[in-house]
Amino acid sequence: GQSLEQPSEVTAVEGAIVQINCTYQTSGFYGLSWYQQHDGGAPTFLSYNALDGLEETGRFSSFLSRSDSYGYLLLQELQMKDSASYFCAVRPYNTDKLIFGTGTRLQVFP
Amino acid sequence: NAGVTQTPKFRVLKTGQSMTLLCAQDMNHEYMYWYRQDPGMGLRLIHYSVGEGTTAKGEVPDGYNVSRLKKQNFLLGLESAAPSQTSVYFCASSYAWDPPNFGPGTRLTVT
Repeated sequence: GQSLEQPSEVTAVEGAIVQINCTYQTSGFYGLSWYQQHDGGAPTFLSYNALDGLEETGRFSSFLSRSDSYGYLLLQELQMKDSASYFCAVRPYNTDKLIFGTGTRLQVFP
Repeated sequence: NAGVTQTPKFRVLKTGQSMTLLCAQDMNHEYMYWYRQDPGMGLRLIHYSVGEGTTAKGEVPDGYNVSRLKKQNFLLGLESAAPSQTSVYFCASSYAWDPPNFGPGTRLTVT
């Protein structure tokens, strides 16, 4: 089967850098996606890694290492508005399903 | 371009009642999905569709049925609602295997 594990909660202060990890147990997948979800809102797409390495989009970066079964989302110059839940997701090979991780709640303090 | 829309936004049902949630997208996407999200939890895939007239089971399909009669619409039905189906339901759509866009969600309470 497939499973993606994330830390349940991460806290940081404004201006800091935080890394949210996603470790997975799946036989193979097409790419790793990251989504942000504010309380009461819908998930919104942040970043996608089709290949190993780092993808940068403004203050957010995402990294994938298939050999280590590991990925992470890096948030720099944290702002209060970054307080939200963050989910990783993969589409396993030979399936059209998109499976989500357990989610990480990020709290940013002044 | 409205993206992904969901109807209704909120609903309260009594145990045993039935209802249909409607998802519509105007992006000509082939792939559509229904997820449920329980408080403080992640997203679990209920059913999905890779094109008009096709549907498939996700991780938690029991108690739900779906139909994709038109490409732009994906309906989720609850035949006999149970309190365990109290949740927020999200619809999403994507072009092939691109990361999907999500709708605003439907908050369903079953008493």
